[in-house]
This record gives sequence, C-alpha cells and structure tokens, in this order.
Amino acid sequence: GQQVMQIPQYQHVQEGEDFTTYCNSSTTLSNIQWYKQRPGGHPVFLIQLVKSGEVKKQKRLTFQFGEAKKNSSLHITATQTTDVGTYFCAGVDAGNNRKLIWGLGTSLAVNP
Amino acid sequence: EPEVTQTPSHQVTQMGQEVILRCVPISNHLYFYWYRQILGQKVEFLVSFYNNEISEKSEIFDDQFSVERPDGSNFTLKIRSTKLEDSAMYFCASRWQWDTGELFFGEGSRLTVL
Repeated sequence: GQQVMQIPQYQHVQEGEDFTTYCNSSTTLSNIQWYKQRPGGHPVFLIQLVKSGEVKKQKRLTFQFGEAKKNSSLHITATQTTDVGTYFCAGVDAGNNRKLIWGLGTSLAVNP
Repeated sequence: EPEVTQTPSHQVTQMGQEVILRCVPISNHLYFYWYRQILGQKVEFLVSFYNNEISEKSEIFDDQFSVERPDGSNFTLKIRSTKLEDSAMYFCASRWQWDTGELFFGEGSRLTVL
C-alpha cells in the first residue's frame, strides 16, 4: 500500500547544530505538508509544498520537495531548544483517492 | 484565530463502556477528521467526514466506532464498547478542502481505558 517513510525516527542534537528529517513516498504526491507537534501538544501545520523541486524557507527552517514529488526534507539551521518536538510529514497521494498519508515522525531533542 | 475545540480533554472509562468524544470544527470548514495517537507513536487516521457522511475510513475504524454530525457545529466520535487498546489521544481536525490546505487540529481528548 501507499507509504511515507520518514527518517530518522529520533535525533538528539546540541543547541546550535543543524537538523534534517527526510520523507520518502512510495507513490507520487500531489502535495506534501509538514507539521510540528510539541511534547504533550497537537500537530500544528508548518507548510505545504506543491510544485516539483519547490523550496520554501521559514526563518531557520528550509523545506524541499523533490523533483519527482516523491520525497521531501525539512532542515533546521542552528537548532534552539524551542525546536524540540516531533516533526511529521504528510503527503497527499496524487492518485484517485487523494489520501493524506502520514509519516511516522522524527522526534527532535535539543541539548542546551 | 479560529480553532478546533474538543471535549473532554481527558476521559477515564472502564473497559466495555461507551465513550463519546466531541469536537467543534472551524465553522466554514467542510471536511472533518478523527485521528488517534497512541503515546509516543505516529498520528493514525481513523475517519474523514464530508457532506454528512463518511468519505473514508481506516482499518482501525471498525464497527465499534461511529461518527456523527448531529447539528451544524458538533462532530462526535463514539466508541461503543471500549477496549484497553483504545487508550490513546484522539485528535479532531478540519479543513476547507479535501486534498490541500492546512489541517487544523484540536488539542485532543485523552482516553484512558481501565
């Protein structure tokens, strides 16, 4: 079935280090979204990518959508303790069902 | 800012009891969802709802689960006979379009089945 693989599952960094999480889909996506969930909180939308090869930036966060629209990445430059949480990607299958398929998430811990 | 609200925030119930979780989606949204998250795990899709009917459901959403939109604002998830493994955080979400745009999540209802 359709899957979105997300790696790594966990990442522990020192404050100031960079962080990247990757999503890979088994099928072509029409768009991909990224959400952040703080510990004890609910998922909060960060961004949506739609176009092949698209790159979007939000301050220290850089989001990319692959040329084939099957993979995506989120890169955080110079992590801060406020970046702690789980980052989920969720892709919409480009096929008929337009289902939103969630990755397993990457949990980020930041040492001050 | 508009938000999705959920009640109760925490419910403790005995195995076999019925539970109803309530949600008020954002008022002009058309698509409504329930998700489940077992502690420390991923967000799992349960069901989507549009135009007063289920548009899609997952394997988790068996005949013990049902959803309803009894009036113009509430969206409920009922679990008829709870099992221990139903213990999880249940999130309601809504959005304007089916396949694009931000999903707005409520803060969740934590269900503990004893």
